[in-house]
Amino acid sequence: QSALTQPRSVSGSPGQSVTISCTGTSSDVGGYNYVSWYQQHPGKAPKVIIYDVSKRPSGVPDRFSASKSGNTASLTISGLQAEDEADYYCCSYAGTYTYATFGGGTKVTVL
Amino acid sequence: QVQLVESGGGVVQPGKSLRLSCEASGFTFSDFALHWVRQAPGKGLEWVASISFDGSNGLHADSVKGRFTISRDNSKNILFLQMNSLRAEDTALYFCARTTPRSIVNFDIWGQGTMVTVSS
Repeated sequence: QSALTQPRSVSGSPGQSVTISCTGTSSDVGGYNYVSWYQQHPGKAPKVIIYDVSKRPSGVPDRFSASKSGNTASLTISGLQAEDEADYYCCSYAGTYTYATFGGGTKVTVL
Repeated sequence: QVQLVESGGGVVQPGKSLRLSCEASGFTFSDFALHWVRQAPGKGLEWVASISFDGSNGLHADSVKGRFTISRDNSKNILFLQMNSLRAEDTALYFCARTTPRSIVNFDIWGQGTMVTVSS
């Protein structure tokens, strides 16, 4: 049950775009169309911002978009805003015995 | 409103036991699979355990298998995590979360977490 691989940090200026990658294997990310992304501000519970690879829950701005290719999923934040500064985690279904695997998390800094 | 509220955390010595609870409100509890996810201080999220909507199937991460047991009481809208043989590395904030029936890793509702500290 290895964690999915994410960059430790990314940064961008307000208005710019940043992309976070999430690399797994054919047993998780590459094997299922069940990848979700979470935003977590300090001291708060995680909040889902993407599910089923690229679907946005109601209320999540369309600045957040996501996709998947092979064993790698990606989250893009367009038009970066100050409130987007947070930790972001990907998560993939990993089968009937492991269920879910999270990425190590990426800290997004708005310069 | 839709809500999950964890309780039962605290400071416990290595080798001891603790039972966490997660009370649900605002939704039909028995329709949803439920999960425990933990976060060690300053670290990332780690899936711990999952249980099906009716409690018939439970899964546990390798790191807790044989020591932790997830269960639920659909008559009382409560999720449990029985934690035995606790280790220092189990120290973490434990969240309960639900997933939507059609999207199996869409953890759409989370509790605020309950802190477990394993220390002598």
